[in-house]
Amino acid sequence: AQRVTQPEKLLSVFKGAPVELKCNYSYSGSPELFWYVQYSRQRLQLLLRHISRESIKGFTADLNKGETSFHLKKPFAQEEDSAMYYCALGPYNQGGKLIFGQGTELSVKP
Amino acid sequence: DTAVSQTPKYLVTQMGNDKSIKCEQNLGHDTMYWYKQDSKKFLKIMFSYNNKELIINETVPNRFSPKSPDKAHLNLHINSLELGDSAVYFCASSHGYRGGEQYFGPGTRLTVT
Repeated sequence: AQRVTQPEKLLSVFKGAPVELKCNYSYSGSPELFWYVQYSRQRLQLLLRHISRESIKGFTADLNKGETSFHLKKPFAQEEDSAMYYCALGPYNQGGKLIFGQGTELSVKP
Repeated sequence: DTAVSQTPKYLVTQMGNDKSIKCEQNLGHDTMYWYKQDSKKFLKIMFSYNNKELIINETVPNRFSPKSPDKAHLNLHINSLELGDSAVYFCASSHGYRGGEQYFGPGTRLTVT
């Protein structure tokens, strides 16, 4: 079965603290993985994709095929990072669909 | 110069009615999608179109009928609306359908009473 699991519905941290949003996937092929973010009253937008291996707004995510994980990390959280974060799997050759996790709401307190 | 736009933003209607949601993208993409976000914020693919051709129908009831008049537009018509259709519907587009970034619209919040 193709599935994405984000175990935390809500993650609350203080400003300056490290943050890790967990994502595990289930997929038999070679996965394409993404993190999308939805800030308050804004549309869903791409934050990271595993292929690009870049850091966006201080966030990084590493694909670990052994653990089937793609956790999102930031060493020092900022208040403006408060948003809804979705991990997504793009199965190969399935019409481009994205399979989303349930989402994690990140709240960064001052 | 909005990339992916949807109309209307909000839609409140009664059970049994028929309604449409429109989506347009000006990114020159050839693939468009409809996703449904339920009350628990879970996002699920409904349809995918490439060059006006349907390529995914993710076991959506046939009360839902997407229509793509051209590559830049993908509309969603819903017949005989039910309470369970209440959700936020997101349109998205991408270049090709073999992976890559998808660009999302702002969403249409449908409430069925």
